[in-house]
Amino acid sequence: GAGVSQTPSNKVTEKGKYVELRCDPISGHTALYWYRQSLGQGPEFLIYFQGTGAADDSGLPNDRFFAVRPEGSVSTLKIQRTERGDSAVYLCASSPNRVNYNEQFFGPGTRLTVL
Amino acid sequence: DAKTTQPPSMDCAEGRAANLPCNHSTISGNEYVYWYRQIHSQGPQYIIHGLKNNETNEMASLIITEDRKSSTLILPHATLRDTAVYYCIVRSGLGNSGGSNYKLTFGKGTLLTVNP
Repeated sequence: GAGVSQTPSNKVTEKGKYVELRCDPISGHTALYWYRQSLGQGPEFLIYFQGTGAADDSGLPNDRFFAVRPEGSVSTLKIQRTERGDSAVYLCASSPNRVNYNEQFFGPGTRLTVL
Repeated sequence: DAKTTQPPSMDCAEGRAANLPCNHSTISGNEYVYWYRQIHSQGPQYIIHGLKNNETNEMASLIITEDRKSSTLILPHATLRDTAVYYCIVRSGLGNSGGSNYKLTFGKGTLLTVNP
């Protein structure tokens, strides 16, 4: 079946602009995660959704970052007033339900470049 | 979650077994060892996980020492497509309501290069 998809695959923006990154999880997966990966580093946790609600947003670096999942499926990561330091690959993952965290299925990521 | 230590890079000949070590000396009793890998320009991919017994699946085997302070991921017959960064992650078990066991905390991993 279809895996996790993320759009766009690449996004180039200018400093100070607003961007939205989209994640389509695997159908039926109630848990959704966002991670950020800087060059040469492992992915870093940003936020976790269980259904429509953000169960843990402790990894969001500051209030310029916000994520929603209004219908418990597609999620959007929103970044306001982008800075050059926001440049990274943003990864989305999903897993079946709140009691089966063993395997997180990752999408290919969105590469964000802030000029 | 306990911290893990992995060598930054390893090489392996195609067709040979690749043995990737991981130290997790501060692991606690309810923490599992997970392995993920990330092929270039792709998202991470789950490989295997275990608590204290050795585990095997179609991708790999996981050997955990008796004291659980270290583990080894074994790819029995490495191919060129196994070239990737391999991450060893320690995470608390399911149902541990006091922990954030849904998170994966990645280190820098081991870059495994399989050579022809």
